[in-house]
Amino acid sequence: DVVMTQSPLSLPVTLGQPASISCRSSQSLVYSDGNTYLNWFQQRPGQSPRRLISKVSNRDSGVPDRFSGSGSGTDFTLKISRVEAEDVGIYYCMQGTHWPYTFGQGTKLDIK
Amino acid sequence: EVQLVESGGDLVQPGGSLRLSCAASGFTFNSYWMGWVRQAPGKGLEWVANIKQDGSEKYYVDSLKGRFTISRDNAKDSLYLQMNSLRAEDTAVYYCARGARGNFWGQGTLVTVSS
Repeated sequence: DVVMTQSPLSLPVTLGQPASISCRSSQSLVYSDGNTYLNWFQQRPGQSPRRLISKVSNRDSGVPDRFSGSGSGTDFTLKISRVEAEDVGIYYCMQGTHWPYTFGQGTKLDIK
Repeated sequence: EVQLVESGGDLVQPGGSLRLSCAASGFTFNSYWMGWVRQAPGKGLEWVANIKQDGSEKYYVDSLKGRFTISRDNAKDSLYLQMNSLRAEDTAVYYCARGARGNFWGQGTLVTVSS
């Protein structure tokens, strides 16, 4: 199975400051159709996961533009340009290229 | 409004069975792959199974070893997960997810396997 490794696992951030989460995969996530199926999910406390980003950098509808995704191959990054209080939660990367789809361990973002 | 509502979670003894359901609304159900994802208490996420729009293709995580079966009824806009030979390690919140890679998730249903 593809192993997804996130860092850091804990991310205390001051309101209004930027945040960055790294995600690395144990093998390339480029699919045979040319797409790279790397998603980012946000799970707020007590809620179900919500997809933020698909295929590395495509923001889902309704996701604030302070969230951005980048990367290629095996190295990916989620960035929040200015953290707001509503961003508190756990962030997961997920690869949807190789079955079984696998998630990173999660990065817990809280306010410093 | 897109909605996925899971049901069927319960406390069950080891070795028992349970059938989860997911009622979909607000979108054309038969146009989407669907899947189940689980999250053990306080733990991360594990993708359990996927099913194609017409049910002709199904995929499972190897660790299930044939104990779980995913199915769907497009006439009822519903997704199912039949779980047999349940073990303590199957204890988790089970989420229904729209799309092969989860573009929308339900609120989940809790399955507890314990004697």
